[in-house]
Amino acid sequence: QKEVEQNSGPLSVPEGAIASLNCTYSDRGSQSFFWYRQYSGKSPELIMFIYSNGDKEDGRFTAQLNKASQYVSLLIRDSQPSDSATYLCAVWVGGNKLVFGAGTILRVKS
Amino acid sequence: EPEVTQTPSHQVTQMGQEVILRCVPISNHLYFYWYRQILGQKVEFLVSFYNNEISEKSEIFDDQFSVERPDGSNFTLKIRSTKLEDSAMYFCASSPITGTLEQYFGPGTRLTVT
Repeated sequence: QKEVEQNSGPLSVPEGAIASLNCTYSDRGSQSFFWYRQYSGKSPELIMFIYSNGDKEDGRFTAQLNKASQYVSLLIRDSQPSDSATYLCAVWVGGNKLVFGAGTILRVKS
Repeated sequence: EPEVTQTPSHQVTQMGQEVILRCVPISNHLYFYWYRQILGQKVEFLVSFYNNEISEKSEIFDDQFSVERPDGSNFTLKIRSTKLEDSAMYFCASSPITGTLEQYFGPGTRLTVT
């Protein structure tokens, strides 16, 4: 069974701080990793993807991948109250199939 | 910006009835998917579809489920005889080609089976 694990949270950070969200995965052969944001009652929205070890930056978001440790993270700089949502880590496990973690609830306090 | 659309947004049905959930994927995308999310639980893969056939399906996607691309734009999920445990949000997603892998989700259909 290919698993994706996330701390359920909630992770509370003050406005303007850096939020750090973490994810581990069980399948060492996984190649592609995705972060989705899901507001309550809404669908997952793709915000970042990363395929290679290291960091990938897009605006206030940075995805970090360490395949040796089977670990992927998402940093959100200058966190805003509008960033408050559930962040889903998803891993491509082949066959065009994504396996999702349960998500981390982020709360940004103004 | 192109987006995946889904209809209806909410479907209420009685146990044992058939339902069809509809999706219009992004127009230049080639891969289509259905996922579901039971309230408070993970997003779960149901099925992927490419070139007019199923490319992969999960153990959830049993004989009561089927998918179809009846024309050049629609992609449907049929549940033949609904059960109470089929109540969930059903999300359609699409992606352009295998190499890029990013999947873009529609707004979902909330299915309530009574």
